[in-house]
Amino acid sequence: DQQVKQNSPSLSVQEGRISILNCDYTNSMFDYFLWYKKYPAEGPTFLISISSIKDKNEDGRFTVFLNKSAKHLSLHIVPSQPGDSAVYFCAARMYSGGGADGLTFGKGTHLIIQP
Amino acid sequence: DAGITQSPRHKVTETGTPVTLRCHQTENHRYMYWYRQDPGHGLRLIHYSYGVKDTDKGEVSDGYSVSRSKTEDFLLTLESATSSQTSVYFCAISELATRLAANEQFFGPGTRLTVL
Repeated sequence: DQQVKQNSPSLSVQEGRISILNCDYTNSMFDYFLWYKKYPAEGPTFLISISSIKDKNEDGRFTVFLNKSAKHLSLHIVPSQPGDSAVYFCAARMYSGGGADGLTFGKGTHLIIQP
Repeated sequence: DAGITQSPRHKVTETGTPVTLRCHQTENHRYMYWYRQDPGHGLRLIHYSYGVKDTDKGEVSDGYSVSRSKTEDFLLTLESATSSQTSVYFCAISELATRLAANEQFFGPGTRLTVL
């Protein structure tokens, strides 16, 4: 059972426009959500996170929105640039108290920025 | 870039053979993790460590064991490799996570393992 779902395997956006990547989750015990970006043959790199007590977090061109009642979050990238072409993973954590956060990942969305 | 290396970067082995993957960090982070990435599954947690000699199971731990004898090294062992363990394996490290903050995990470059 997938607890974190990214239902769009790929998304194509024109350079300069807004990219919106979506993520849904089922487990209401998740209390933090993170977005990672991954280029081929490299490890994922952290982009931005949001606590479940907030509804928005912004960092430069990246904004994450959280709708807790709908169990839905989205990553907005404005404006989209060619270097943004990558696979984006949505991840969630459930605080366990031990200091280690094993994350639950979605399957990823391949974002393609077209010139 | 966080100082995380994984070795080997690529490995081809045969079913039934033991395989050990190594993760080495120079960041002195206490927490270390092993994930596997497969098409259609994203990344899934195999095992993690919260200190030297302290490890715990993740979502897909069957067929894997881990060891951590030093802060900087976290080993993942497949005792008897199977074709279903063909995957890309990522190591990650993090600082302490608290209820108030989920510390980002820094990932290594990955090891591509093929079991024939």
